[in-house]
Amino acid sequence: DAKTTQPPSMDCAEGRAANLPCNHSTISGNEYVYWYRQIHSQGPQYIIHGLKNNETNEMASLIITEDRKSSTLILPHATLRDTAVYYCIVRHRPMDYGGSQGNLIFGKGTKLSVKP
Amino acid sequence: GAVVSQHPSWVICKSGTSVKIECRSLDFQATTMFWYRQFPKQSLMLMATSNEGSKATYEQGVEKDKFLINHASLTLSTLTVTSAHPEDSSFYICSAPKGKGTEAFFGQGTRLTVV
Repeated sequence: DAKTTQPPSMDCAEGRAANLPCNHSTISGNEYVYWYRQIHSQGPQYIIHGLKNNETNEMASLIITEDRKSSTLILPHATLRDTAVYYCIVRHRPMDYGGSQGNLIFGKGTKLSVKP
Repeated sequence: GAVVSQHPSWVICKSGTSVKIECRSLDFQATTMFWYRQFPKQSLMLMATSNEGSKATYEQGVEKDKFLINHASLTLSTLTVTSAHPEDSSFYICSAPKGKGTEAFFGQGTRLTVV
């Protein structure tokens, strides 16, 4: 699976949009971009994923560049509860029930601090 | 979304004792579950893959005789830390992919402290 590069930390003012970048310049054509976050002392939480089109759900938007070498996770109106470590993970489409390709490989992520 | 539940959320045990952690998929069946370990200020590291009805597969450097995994049913996997030592103190997290879906659902984690 392709490696990703994220800034170690970012700050964001409450109520403002948080834009978290991720570089994945070695991504291959059938690899997806996933975003998870981990609030302190909790298990990771799935946020969103995409292949090449921009995606939006109730939590966030995912913007993937046309060359797919980078992406940005956007939290449109950050709240204090969005303070967490955000992980960008690039991986192939998982097999039906996992196996060796079913696990996620976590990097160091970006620690987002939302401040009042 | 799907729910994966871990129990207990935290546990303190004495050195030399064994601790069992349960991971349950509450609203879906999971033939595979994954166990991770996370030390303070570090990222999650995969320990092993739990396979229903067969032996678990362990990542390099993880002792299979120390971290016993049992996946006895399609909704339950257990991780037993045997003869625990203080260096086993960590945050243990399980996850399960939901069938053909592309999301992995994580338990809330178990904080193990060995004294």
